Amino acid sequence: NAGVTQTPKFRVLKTGQSMTLLCAQDMNHEYMYWYRQDPGMGLRLIHYSVGEGTTAKGEVPDGYNVSRLKKQNFLLGLESAAPSQTSVYFCASSKLNEQFFGPGTRLTVL
Amino acid sequence: DQQVKQNSPSLSVQEGRISILNCDYTNSMFDYFLWYKKYPAEGPTFLISISSIKDKNEDGRFTVFLNKSAKHLSLHIVPSQPGDSAVYFCAASRPYSGGGADGLTFGKGTHLIIQP
Repeated sequence: NAGVTQTPKFRVLKTGQSMTLLCAQDMNHEYMYWYRQDPGMGLRLIHYSVGEGTTAKGEVPDGYNVSRLKKQNFLLGLESAAPSQTSVYFCASSKLNEQFFGPGTRLTVL
Repeated sequence: DQQVKQNSPSLSVQEGRISILNCDYTNSMFDYFLWYKKYPAEGPTFLISISSIKDKNEDGRFTVFLNKSAKHLSLHIVPSQPGDSAVYFCAASRPYSGGGADGLTFGKGTHLIIQP
């Protein structure tokens, strides 16, 4: 039982490049989330999903897109990366209130 | 506007003593509160939670107190141990709407340092 896993762990992008972050969970959770954490800030919700095939915007959705084609996977895409998207990205999943987090992806945009 | 506030960025406590971490919230719609613990280079891990219908929840060395009228909650760790040194995040959620869960609202975190 791996819980929540994230791929990749680290990535460096140049401004304008695109990439996809993958989140996978093996707990059969309906709900999945993408957060970002910046220095001195708490985690801020980017997008979330309440089930396969559904997505919704969170607090800071601009510049990101998501897809939930399979229940166990939640993808976060950056179409044209900007330096302001340098951050640590955390994926989480939940059945109810308690969310389980992945180890994070550290993304640097130059 | 920050809806969940942790006003102490850091807290230093001696090993064996009590650690008290505080959290305030402004949104009266929040009905469930959680504490997460985070070590460097790891994801947050769930510690303890409390529903708004309760004023206290205990789990081993960890106790969370909720004062709804003051919109304040606190996490007590007794006794504090070196392994408790981490960043602690307070988080809150609203009641589900339409059967969905729209994520947690986090505070900025408090860095707890346990001194030997």
